[in-house]
Amino acid sequence: AQSVAQPEDQVNVAEGNPLTVKCTYSVSGNPYLFWYVQYPNRGLQFLLKYITGDNLVKGSYGFEAEFNKSQTSFHLKKPSALVSDSALYFCAVRDDNFNKFYFGSGTKLNVKP
Amino acid sequence: SAVISQKPSRDICQRGTSLTIQCQVDSQVTMMFWYRQQPGQSLTLIATANQGSEATYESGFVIDKFPISRPNLTFSTLTVSNMSPEDSSIYLCSVEERLAGGPYNEQFFGPGTRLTVL
Repeated sequence: AQSVAQPEDQVNVAEGNPLTVKCTYSVSGNPYLFWYVQYPNRGLQFLLKYITGDNLVKGSYGFEAEFNKSQTSFHLKKPSALVSDSALYFCAVRDDNFNKFYFGSGTKLNVKP
Repeated sequence: SAVISQKPSRDICQRGTSLTIQCQVDSQVTMMFWYRQQPGQSLTLIATANQGSEATYESGFVIDKFPISRPNLTFSTLTVSNMSPEDSSIYLCSVEERLAGGPYNEQFFGPGTRLTVL
């Protein structure tokens, strides 16, 4: 069965510092991995995805994620955090056999000035 | 990419009543999904709705409680029936679309409907 784990409920960083939001996954086949962001009172917005190819994936708003097959991880990163990055971040894995997405529990990112 | 709108954006309802949430997409899509996001929790898939067939419900969700319509390729409704406070959640519509030149489907989400049941 497919599953995604986000071990941190909340991540606090100072503006200008690098940030990392962790995600690990479990899949039975090839991993199709995604990051979404949810701002208050808004729907989910797509940030980036890994399907195949380079392990370092670049996405929207300066975010990137590194796919690590040996550690089954897909951590979200940004070199310099902005206060406006404060939001809820979801990691997801797609089960291509059943056309379903499985979402992690979400990590609240707080960026303080 | 697909643009998705939902109505209503939020509502406050009384216990025992029903609410129908509409999802409109600006392009024709085969697969539409309904998710629930309970307060402080992640997204849970309620059902998959394909045009011309009955919706497929996930474990823990039943048609009597969450009837779904999919009359065409751009529209779907989800009804939350006989509501109780436990149904207070954000309900999100989602679609899959294969972008031009892309080998894989992308999934896009609507803004959500925030439901509070008193």
